[in-house]
Amino acid sequence: GAVVSQHPSRVICKSGTSVKIECRSLDFQATTMFWYRQFPKQSLMLMATSNEGSKATYEQGVEKDKFLINHASLTLSTLTVTSAHPEDSSFYICSARKNSGVGSTDTQYFGPGTRLTVL
Amino acid sequence: TQLLEQSPQFLSIQEGENLTVYCNSSSVFSSLQWYRQEPGEGPVLLVTVVTGGEVKKLKRLTFQFGDARKDSSLHITAAQPGDTGLYLCAGGRNFNKFYFGSGTKLNVKP
Repeated sequence: GAVVSQHPSRVICKSGTSVKIECRSLDFQATTMFWYRQFPKQSLMLMATSNEGSKATYEQGVEKDKFLINHASLTLSTLTVTSAHPEDSSFYICSARKNSGVGSTDTQYFGPGTRLTVL
Repeated sequence: TQLLEQSPQFLSIQEGENLTVYCNSSSVFSSLQWYRQEPGEGPVLLVTVVTGGEVKKLKRLTFQFGDARKDSSLHITAAQPGDTGLYLCAGGRNFNKFYFGSGTKLNVKP
């Protein structure tokens, strides 16, 4: 199997504080993980690509100083929302890419998501 | 601007009906994946297609990748209430980044 976990599942914080979200691949190693955000009744928007041992690649329009990503090991990536504001409230979802081997198709597996509410 | 456009956006049908969801783009993708998402949860992978013209079947679900690898369709036969959910297509480029379609919200009424 391929299981990806996220912690916490829900977090409520005050405006101006920072929040860290963890994404773990439990039964496989992932050199690449992705972070998405999803607003109610909308699709997933890719925020950044997290690469183990190197800097994350951010999508256009995503502030890298606000959304800090660290991929320190092959099974863990973290997203820190710094100085959070109410407009940062959203559903944040990570995925981990599982390498299926040479000639095979890599597949991404998703975590269960983290609901962030900034008051 | 969404890289992948899905249609329809919303679909409400009776149990037993058939339906087709479309995923279209002007870009070529190396692979295309279909997911189903329940409220408050992460997307769950249904299928991956990689070859132009490829057709895959998963019980009552039939997936097709366009010949030019720019579009895909998902056909559900005899829909059931358990099929209710948000269906998302996602295109991959060089197996690096994956971009999601706009989503199709399906409601199957008993």
